[in-house]
Amino acid sequence: DTGVSQNPRHKITKRGQNVTFRCDPISEHNRLYWYRQTLGQGPEFLTYFQNEAQLEKSRLLSDRFSAERPKGSFSTLEIQRTEQGDSAMYLCASSPTDRGVYGYTFGSGTRLTVV
Amino acid sequence: GEDVEQSLFLSVREGDSSVINCTYTDSSSTYLYWYKQEPGAGLQLLTYIFSNMDMKQDQRLTVLLNKKDKHLSLRIADTQTGDSAIYFCAEDFGNEKLTFGTGTRLTIIP
Repeated sequence: DTGVSQNPRHKITKRGQNVTFRCDPISEHNRLYWYRQTLGQGPEFLTYFQNEAQLEKSRLLSDRFSAERPKGSFSTLEIQRTEQGDSAMYLCASSPTDRGVYGYTFGSGTRLTVV
Repeated sequence: GEDVEQSLFLSVREGDSSVINCTYTDSSSTYLYWYKQEPGAGLQLLTYIFSNMDMKQDQRLTVLLNKKDKHLSLRIADTQTGDSAIYFCAEDFGNEKLTFGTGTRLTIIP
């Protein structure tokens, strides 16, 4: 297992375009999380999945954002009609249900720049 | 609500000890974690402490937890240039997500 994989690593898009990011978690992990990190800040929670079910969404996740995890494996995060304020690092993490001493395992992130 | 605070910057001479501090408001956490983030990378779990512990040592890392003052610290002994990074504390309140601090940027002075 190569850990949590995120693609692409970098994405530059024009304002108003749609973008989609992919996350492949550790295969044994049934929980998958999306976080957003802006410059100089810690990661902020966006949403998480238990298997294919999306169990919680932050108020940060406006109706332009949608996340899916169709078969309980990989996940996608789509942002529609991107705005400059969406520029950030989008981090994916996975964990077992009983996280305990293991915390999350993070991917390297997708850095989004909206121009 | 849940709020986790850290000082933004710390500079330490190579070979000295680094102490990174974190304060939090909600005392119902079960686990508390320390993560390290190097430039352009994701977060790497360094260590954890269970909320009923006062101290945990793991090689060069020592975590201290003062539940009364809601204060968590990470001590790095014999700080090396490879320790330069941003360090985040994070709390697990048992509500399914972790809450992160703002991060402390550790700079090593040769």
